[in-house]
Amino acid sequence: AQTVTQSQPEMSVQEAETVTLSCTYDTSESDYYLFWYKQPPSRQMILVIRQEAYKQQNATENRFSVNFQKAAKSFSLKISDSQLGDAAMYFCAYRSGGFQGAQKLVFGQGTRLTINP
Amino acid sequence: DGGITQSPKYLFRKEGQNVTLSCEQNLNHDAMYWYRQDPGQGLRLIYYSQIVNDFQKGDIAEGYSVSREKKESFPLTVTSAQKNPTAFYLCASSAPGQGKWRGYTFGSGTRLTVV
Repeated sequence: AQTVTQSQPEMSVQEAETVTLSCTYDTSESDYYLFWYKQPPSRQMILVIRQEAYKQQNATENRFSVNFQKAAKSFSLKISDSQLGDAAMYFCAYRSGGFQGAQKLVFGQGTRLTINP
Repeated sequence: DGGITQSPKYLFRKEGQNVTLSCEQNLNHDAMYWYRQDPGQGLRLIYYSQIVNDFQKGDIAEGYSVSREKKESFPLTVTSAQKNPTAFYLCASSAPGQGKWRGYTFGSGTRLTVV
């Protein structure tokens, strides 16, 4: 079974600076997807960024980018120019790539990010 | 606008009672999921359903039951057999697909507390 590990329960960063959240995963599959979700205090889950394992290029969405290291099974999230609205719980998630029915996501434990003004 | 609606937002259960959490979606998604969120443990899969009238157990199904009689609805019942039901429950849905799969659409959650 696949597992996802986020080793940083809490992180903090000064507003306008850059922060990197870590995620590692364990799988024997070669085809899969990786995601970062954000959960602000409202507790609504919001998709931040996604990465297909077959793509070598790291995904980027505005101030959010990932460092995908397939051999190391690492998928870190970099947030540039941190804003107060980025304060949230961040979850890393994994999904198998095959189309075997429901697309179950496996989540990490989460990292709580605090932005200091 | 399409989305997922979970109700109620807050729910209180007495010891020994069964309670049902509602999840409705109008996105025409085939697959639906229930996750439980506890502090420090992330989200854990309770049950999921790929199509109407079919569902499978997730990682922590004991003490829970579901039904999928309609495509739009996937209610979760927390039974008295669930020994520690106090948690935040999230419902999600997804459309099939591979290359452009965009992940889940989540509901806003139900906070269940045992009193």
